[in-house]
Amino acid sequence: GNSVTQMEGPVTLSEEAFLTINCTYTATGYPSLFWYVQYPGEGLQLLLKATKADDKGSNKGFEATYRKETTSFHLEKGSVQVSDSAVYFCALRSSGGYQKVTFGIGTKLQVIP
Amino acid sequence: NAGVTQTPKFQVLKTGQSMTLQCAQDMNHEYMSWYRQDPGMGLRLIHYSVGAGITDQGEVPNGYNVSRSTTEDFPLRLLSAAPSQTSVYFCASSSLGTALGAYGYTFGSGTRLTVV
Repeated sequence: GNSVTQMEGPVTLSEEAFLTINCTYTATGYPSLFWYVQYPGEGLQLLLKATKADDKGSNKGFEATYRKETTSFHLEKGSVQVSDSAVYFCALRSSGGYQKVTFGIGTKLQVIP
Repeated sequence: NAGVTQTPKFQVLKTGQSMTLQCAQDMNHEYMSWYRQDPGMGLRLIHYSVGAGITDQGEVPNGYNVSRSTTEDFPLRLLSAAPSQTSVYFCASSSLGTALGAYGYTFGSGTRLTVV
């Protein structure tokens, strides 16, 4: 079946540091890939997505590129802020069938001033 | 604002009690789902629906029932609450994807349930 692997963290960075959160996946066919963000006490919000190989999703300074050859979708940001402290979830979704979503375990990011 | 509305936000139940968690969306989304979120376990799918009258089980369906009589509403019923059902529950909805790609979810703000 489908699966998504990401480290649980926490990842602790100083403000303005470069962020990478790794995400790798296993899936049949050609899934779409997503990153969601969850701030404390809230539901998840869609951060960015990519629907085919070599697509780059971007939003709020975050980027991720759909790499089919390495089955990866790593999240990056050039300069993190304290307000980026949250839990980040990588996910995939098939476009066929019942389109269930598979989530990674979530990576907690702490940014310190 | 358009979105997914979950009620209640907090609930405490005694073991053996039943209750219904409500979920409503006003975006005309075909797909709706329920997840539970537990520390160290990420999000686990309980039940989902691809349209009115169509539901199916996810990873952890035991102890929960759902129905989908309208496009807008997707309630989750706990039949006889157990301490193992203490969790944060999220409802999420989306349009169904096409061959060009899938859509992302819109999530509700969650229901924090404690069973004592």
